[in-house]
Amino acid sequence: QKEVEQNSGPLSVPEGAIASLNCTYSDRVSQSFFWYRQYSGKSPELIMSIYSNGDKEDGRFTAQLNKASQYVSLLIRDSQPSDSATYLCAVGDNTDKLIFGTGTRLQVFP
Amino acid sequence: GAVVSQHPSRVICKSGTSVKIECRSLDFQATTMFWYRQFPKQSLMLMATSNEGSKATYEQGVEKDKFLINHASLTLSTLTVTSAHPEDSSFYICSAPTRGVNTEAFFGQGTRLTVV
Repeated sequence: QKEVEQNSGPLSVPEGAIASLNCTYSDRVSQSFFWYRQYSGKSPELIMSIYSNGDKEDGRFTAQLNKASQYVSLLIRDSQPSDSATYLCAVGDNTDKLIFGTGTRLQVFP
Repeated sequence: GAVVSQHPSRVICKSGTSVKIECRSLDFQATTMFWYRQFPKQSLMLMATSNEGSKATYEQGVEKDKFLINHASLTLSTLTVTSAHPEDSSFYICSAPTRGVNTEAFFGQGTRLTVV
């Protein structure tokens, strides 16, 4: 069974610090990798996608992918209290179907 | 990003009644849409894949006769929870993948269903 693993947290970081969120996946043929942010009571919002090994930066967010280690991470620089949310890692194969991790709850305190 | 609209955002119904939830892709066509259910403090669980012009594909353990899915057009999929019971109370979310160089999935706003 395909699995996506995340530490449930909460991960607490002070405002202005770097938050590091990690995710591992079991299916070696996975091709696409996503990070979604979900505020309480809301639906997930796509913040980053990554498809090849290495780093991808978008503003304060950097996604890192290592297919050999089956590992994907998300770094949030200059964390803000508004970044406090649950971050979901999602992994896709070639069918567009996504498998989600259980999410990591991030708390950024002033 | 692409826009997916889901309606209603919140519904309360009596036990035994049916509820229909709509999911629309507003600015792109979606031959496939996905329906998820999320219980409090849990992750998204894929219920079924909605396929335009053909039958939906249900995940293991999901009752197809209880959760009716219709994908009537390239922009609309509906989920009907039939004979709803309190244990069906949950957050139902649809998503639709865009098809470009890379595929990305965008979510509707979600529907909070409460069965009393």
